Amino acid sequence: QVQLVQSGAEVKKPGASVKVSCTPSGYTFTNYYIHWVRQAPGQGLEWMGLINPSGGSASYADKFQGRLTMTRDTSTSTIYMELSSLSSEDTAMYYCTRVPLYTDYPFDYWGQGTLVTVSS
Amino acid sequence: EIVMTQSPATLSMSPGERATLSCRASQSVSSNLAWYQQKPGQAPSLLIYAASTRATGVPARFSGSGSGAVFTLTISSLQSEDFAVYYCQQYHKWPQYTFGQGTKLEIK
Repeated sequence: QVQLVQSGAEVKKPGASVKVSCTPSGYTFTNYYIHWVRQAPGQGLEWMGLINPSGGSASYADKFQGRLTMTRDTSTSTIYMELSSLSSEDTAMYYCTRVPLYTDYPFDYWGQGTLVTVSS
Repeated sequence: EIVMTQSPATLSMSPGERATLSCRASQSVSSNLAWYQQKPGQAPSLLIYAASTRATGVPARFSGSGSGAVFTLTISSLQSEDFAVYYCQQYHKWPQYTFGQGTKLEIK
């Protein structure tokens, strides 16, 4: 069955970086974009960006340009999302989710979420 | 960026009642509109895609309608497990798949 398993919770200090992993299984890794969505406590869903696991190209929301990097490791079928220059406003649950390549389709499977807490 | 606006922010209803949730896009998204349900402590779950197609395993009491810029999610007879937060999302403008701010469906 399809699963997206994310790494565990993180606590970071302001100004630091965090790197969260997402390991899909149950389907062909290179056939689906991986998107990242975050949710601040008590707030709505915010799209952050996506990566194409096939070629490694990524696209980011404007607000994260310059401090968000998405990468993939095809040898382990793992996606990484790294966010730098953290502030308290980055405290949120971070989710990875998937979309089939080159289609108009929404997010059908989601990871369990990774809580990132930014606190001094 | 396409802005998605949901109304109302909160909907207070009783089990057995019919619920209607609205979503409006700042420009046409054709039928590239999805609805998600999110329960506390869980990731969102896909309910409806292509504006009106139920995802696998979604009960028939959930239905979606609309096209262009105005969409509706209807729950025909509310069950206790339906009280949650609902989000609409456009996936028309790749790659920025924006969400509405959510509608909280609470028990009256």
